[in-house]
Amino acid sequence: ETGVTQSPTHLIKTRGQQVTLRCSSQSGHNTVSWYQQALGQGPQFIFQYYREEENGRGNFPPRFSGLQFPNYSSELNVNALELDDSALYLCASSAGQLGGEKLFFGSGTQLSVL
Amino acid sequence: LAKTTQPISMDSYEGQEVNITCSHNNIATNDYITWYQQFPSQGPRFIIQGYKTKVTNEVASLFIPADRKSSTLSLPRVSLSDTAVYYCLVGFMDSSYKLIFGSGTRLLVRP
Repeated sequence: ETGVTQSPTHLIKTRGQQVTLRCSSQSGHNTVSWYQQALGQGPQFIFQYYREEENGRGNFPPRFSGLQFPNYSSELNVNALELDDSALYLCASSAGQLGGEKLFFGSGTQLSVL
Repeated sequence: LAKTTQPISMDSYEGQEVNITCSHNNIATNDYITWYQQFPSQGPRFIIQGYKTKVTNEVASLFIPADRKSSTLSLPRVSLSDTAVYYCLVGFMDSSYKLIFGSGTRLLVRP
């Protein structure tokens, strides 16, 4: 158990809809990062938040957006869902801003877009 | 272009030592190199982290050459429960900061 919880665990949406995924970080951690993991592939970095500010972003379009709250929990929002957005979405928390601090992952949200 | 490269798969037998190498040519200067283990339907789990030279903990060793363009995860005396996918993770800086996972190495440990 890492102390990082994600909700929901599974979700089914249709193309064009919007989705919000949630993540509660481990106690004492002020940094949250989000990843998309397609079946059989490695996690792809979406973005990272440090103290409520985005401070890193991967090669994802603007329809992928996020928030970090004062308690350091976080949301990932995806607008205009596409079939290729079907994946496992992972959230990780850490205690530092940059430099590859040890990440603690949740078990993920499995999103299916039909 | 930020990229990491790992072998796709490796086979081993119980009790053997396994070495998995990751290449990462453009790693950010101040970033650590971290390795994770992932089982199906679970998030990645931290194994070991280092900046340069050699790091050892209770489960693995990590070897990093002086140029930091690659790293090697060493698992001593693997068991069946070590069958999993192993990823290296490094940070890169181009237009913004990015954390890049390797493509993953699927390790199969046989009896």
